[in-house]
Amino acid sequence: EDKVVQSPLSLVVHEGDTVTLNCSYEVTNFRSLLWYKQEKKAPTFLFMLTSSGIEKKSGRLSSILDKKELFSILNITATQTGDSAVYLCAVDRGNNDMRFGAGTRLTVKP
Amino acid sequence: DAGVIQSPRHEVTEMGQEVTLRCKPISGHNSLFWYRQTMMRGLELLIYFNNNVPIDDSGMPEDRFSAKMPNASFSTLKIQPSEPRDSAVYFCASSLVWDRPNTEAFFGQGTRLTVV
Repeated sequence: EDKVVQSPLSLVVHEGDTVTLNCSYEVTNFRSLLWYKQEKKAPTFLFMLTSSGIEKKSGRLSSILDKKELFSILNITATQTGDSAVYLCAVDRGNNDMRFGAGTRLTVKP
Repeated sequence: DAGVIQSPRHEVTEMGQEVTLRCKPISGHNSLFWYRQTMMRGLELLIYFNNNVPIDDSGMPEDRFSAKMPNASFSTLKIQPSEPRDSAVYFCASSLVWDRPNTEAFFGQGTRLTVV
């Protein structure tokens, strides 16, 4: 059975800290891995990763994929209270048939 | 484009009633997805369509759930009869697939369903 496992399930840090969120997967068909940020509304897209070893960056966020070891990490540096959210990892098995992990709930305290 | 539009935003209904959730995908997107989000199970894919054709409905929990996509700009998810355990947030998402593989899905704001 395909599965996507995120860790930790929840994380509490203080502003300025750096966090690393993990996502491991086992799927029969892999097309890409996606990271979403979900606050009180719908998930918003962060990154799509298709190739190993190529880091994607957007401001203080970055992510990388390891297709050999079947995992990805999402890094957030210099965290801010606005980063508080649930971060979802999803694996696209083709045609956006995605399987989501349970998410990591990040709380950033002032 | 206004993005993926879902209606209603909130729905409260009594057990046994029929519930219909609606979704308008982003214009030009070829794929549409229905997800359900609960505290216990997280975000689950229920069904998805490519070019209005249902491709995979293996995530639909049981026969009480049905989904249709009569045209490229509209889809419905129906629950009949509804049960309290159906209470969840239902998301619709769309993506452009055939012309641009490996594109992200864009989510609607969700419909919060409460069955009492």
